Amino acid sequence: KNQVEQSPQSLIILEGKNCTLQCNYTVSPFSNLRWYKQDTGRGPVSLTIMTFSENTKSNGRYTATLDADTKQSSLHITASQLSDSASYICVVSIQTGANNLFFGTGTRLTVIP
Amino acid sequence: NAGVTQTPKFQVLKTGQSMTLQCAQDMNHEYMSWYRQDPGMGLRLIHYSVGAGITDQGEVPNGYNVSRSTTEDFPLRLLSAAPSQTSVYFCASSKQGQAKSPEYFGPGTRLTVT
Repeated sequence: KNQVEQSPQSLIILEGKNCTLQCNYTVSPFSNLRWYKQDTGRGPVSLTIMTFSENTKSNGRYTATLDADTKQSSLHITASQLSDSASYICVVSIQTGANNLFFGTGTRLTVIP
Repeated sequence: NAGVTQTPKFQVLKTGQSMTLQCAQDMNHEYMSWYRQDPGMGLRLIHYSVGAGITDQGEVPNGYNVSRSTTEDFPLRLLSAAPSQTSVYFCASSKQGQAKSPEYFGPGTRLTVT
């Protein structure tokens, strides 16, 4: 069964600290993995997209890694800011079919001063 | 560009009422989708369209209709609202399809059915 699981469900960190969010998936055949940031009351916004051959991709203070062998991804946030408070959603797509996106339930990150 | 716009932002319906959620994009994207987001669950695909005149069902299509008469617009119709349709609805568009390019999401419509 195609599934995407994220951990932790929620996380609270101090401003300026780093954190890492995890995503494990059982989706096959793999096409790409993306991370989205969703602010409260807003739609998700794409942070990174990684294909099978990419094992790391950065977007400012956000760095995503992908291990296609173990089917794991992580999103590392460096020097967190209050504006990083949001839900982070891991999405995995498959190569076949039209209904081909599988969404995790997200990690709710709260950055406190 | 305004990106993906959705109206209304909030809506309260009584059971059995019908309504249309509007979605428009100005990026000339061929692919458009509707999702619902419920607490503790990932986004779930309701309907999608790969171009004007072409629509198909997603994971949870029951109780919803869509049409795509133009590239820009992709309205979602609730035929007879039920409390189970209380949710936040997101419209999204992408250039090459869901698996090949990032999706751009609208701001969402929060729907409550009483």
